[in-house]
Amino acid sequence: RKEVEQDPGPFNVPEGATVAFNCTYSNSASQSFFWYRQDCRKEPKLLMSVYSSGNEDGRFTAQLNRASQYISLLIRDSKLSDSATYLCVVITTDSWGKLQFGAGTQVVVTP
Amino acid sequence: DTEVTQTPKHLVMGMTNKKSLKCEQHMGHRAMYWYKQKAKKPPELMFVYSYEKLSINESVPSRFSPECPNSSLLNLHLHALQPEDSALYLCASSQETSGDTQYFGPGTRLTVL
Repeated sequence: RKEVEQDPGPFNVPEGATVAFNCTYSNSASQSFFWYRQDCRKEPKLLMSVYSSGNEDGRFTAQLNRASQYISLLIRDSKLSDSATYLCVVITTDSWGKLQFGAGTQVVVTP
Repeated sequence: DTEVTQTPKHLVMGMTNKKSLKCEQHMGHRAMYWYKQKAKKPPELMFVYSYEKLSINESVPSRFSPECPNSSLLNLHLHALQPEDSALYLCASSQETSGDTQYFGPGTRLTVL
């Protein structure tokens, strides 16, 4: 079983709609959680860290459920520029900063 | 400023060549990383440097040789690579290795002929 699992998609989303997707992690010692976005042939860019209480950044909302070991990302009012692959990233305690990546969820926003 | 720079952007090399990839950050971060990313796959960790010392080598073949000359610079020396080593090589940095956010450079797209 992979340490971090994501639905690869693609999620085809009409412009202006809301899309949400999850990421599950297997290691209960996971301490830090992030969502990165990656455009085709570009580097991953930090979208947001995910905090225990959940957090929002504009149209993006991230949630953490430690009991069920998953994090989620919700995108409201989708824009064409939101089309990207969203990488779920988890860091476990004492891992020397080693990121555990999910395989990524592809989102395609259509006009 | 959360900028990590990498040079060159693109590199084409033969299997007998020796080349180096360079990475620089001026955020005062003490942890720096090399990743390799193949198409449609997530990045794979290669090396971790913490306070200029190598702390993790993810069983990377010796044809890849990292070097950290100072706290701002990270190099990856390449020698006798194979075509299957063609990939996007990403550098990242973070404040420390203790779960801090990692910031990625734009990467070097390497093609080995």
